[in-house]
Amino acid sequence: DAKTTQPNSMESNEEEPVHLPCNHSTISGTDYIHWYRQLPSQGPEYVIHGLTSNVNNRMASLAIAEDRKSSTLILHRATLRDAAVYYCTRKNAGGTSYGKLTFGQGTILTVHP
Amino acid sequence: GAGVSQTPSNKVTEKGKYVELRCDPISGHTALYWYRQSLGQGPEFLIYFQGTGAADDSGLPNDRFFAVRPEGSVSTLKIQRTERGDSAVYLCASSPVGAGELFFGEGSRLTVL
Repeated sequence: DAKTTQPNSMESNEEEPVHLPCNHSTISGTDYIHWYRQLPSQGPEYVIHGLTSNVNNRMASLAIAEDRKSSTLILHRATLRDAAVYYCTRKNAGGTSYGKLTFGQGTILTVHP
Repeated sequence: GAGVSQTPSNKVTEKGKYVELRCDPISGHTALYWYRQSLGQGPEFLIYFQGTGAADDSGLPNDRFFAVRPEGSVSTLKIQRTERGDSAVYLCASSPVGAGELFFGEGSRLTVL
């Protein structure tokens, strides 16, 4: 399974927007794009997901490129609690591997006060 | 709480020993996943259960690893003849059928000396 590609790390200041990019050039037409984040010593936590259209929820927004080969997770106003490792993942949408997530290395987000 | 529960949270064992890791999913979730996470890496898929059956076990690294879910709820990951390379955090996740997100537990940290 092809993994997604993300920058190793990014930094932001508190209350500023953060744009976390992800490349998934080999994504299949039916795979969803999911984002999770992980704090130290915890399991990953769901953030947002989408297929083709841009998505918004209370945590973040997800902008998906028209060709679906890349996406961007947007945190509109970063807080110190948003400091975590952010994973962009593919989620199988069919077959025996339905629901399986394929993780990449993730982006370590540092938020400065 | 009503989240995914994993026990033990920490397990230290000696090379060659047998280990069992338990996952108690969220009540009513039919899908259950096991992942393994090494230090500094994203989670790596091991196995996926839909109900009692393993729908996809393509991520199990070798025949020393086995997982069961006999009643479609609690699952046990079993590792025989442990090796130092098995040291990692083993994560369990569950989800309802057709749902977008996976709910992860906090993981079981396995250290093989």
